Amino acid sequence: GAVVSQHPSWVICKSGTSVKIECRSLDFQATTMFWYRQFPKQSLMLMATSNEGSKATYEQGVEKDKFLINHASLTLSTLTVTSAHPEDSSFYICSARRLAGAILTDTQYFGPGTRLTVL
Amino acid sequence: GQNIDQPTEMTATEGAIVQINCTYQTSGFNGLFWYQQHAGEAPTFLSYNVLDGLEEKGRFSSFLSRSKGYSYLLLKELQMKDSASYLCAAWDSNYQLIWGAGTKLIIKP
Repeated sequence: GAVVSQHPSWVICKSGTSVKIECRSLDFQATTMFWYRQFPKQSLMLMATSNEGSKATYEQGVEKDKFLINHASLTLSTLTVTSAHPEDSSFYICSARRLAGAILTDTQYFGPGTRLTVL
Repeated sequence: GQNIDQPTEMTATEGAIVQINCTYQTSGFNGLFWYQQHAGEAPTFLSYNVLDGLEEKGRFSSFLSRSKGYSYLLLKELQMKDSASYLCAAWDSNYQLIWGAGTKLIIKP
């Protein structure tokens, strides 16, 4: 099956520093990748959608200058949390969409998530 | 607006059957997903329905009625490891996933 990896799996950083999270599709090309955030006991919230080679589309309320997304290749997207603050502490999950010939296989595959703790 | 409704929590007994319902209202519809999420982990894909009817996959089955905006996930022969949150999500006309808040399923021995 399709595999999506994230690195790091967890990170602790000081307030004011920047953190980069990588999302890779290991055995397929992902034309579109999504970044989600999940606070404890809440549903996944879409932060942004990125298509390879173009600028990411951010959801309302998500600061694009704070959450920098780069989708430089069909297998790699990165999310950089700039000047992180304790309220940014959350579980960040990426997913990748593989477009196959038949619509029924057009499914999102999730990475394992990255737990960010900002002190 | 777009909305997904599912129960917050359900409890069932090991070995029994449980049905988790989901109703959706979206701008356009391109299919409905069920995901399983264990605490502290990312969701894992369970099923995708775009046509009306029941899709069976081992112990798990998923049903869709597009005319009613309704789906359910049926879990049979429940095992303790099935204790998790089950997330319902629908694709809207732009293929954006609209997520429900999830149903926490508690399995008792």
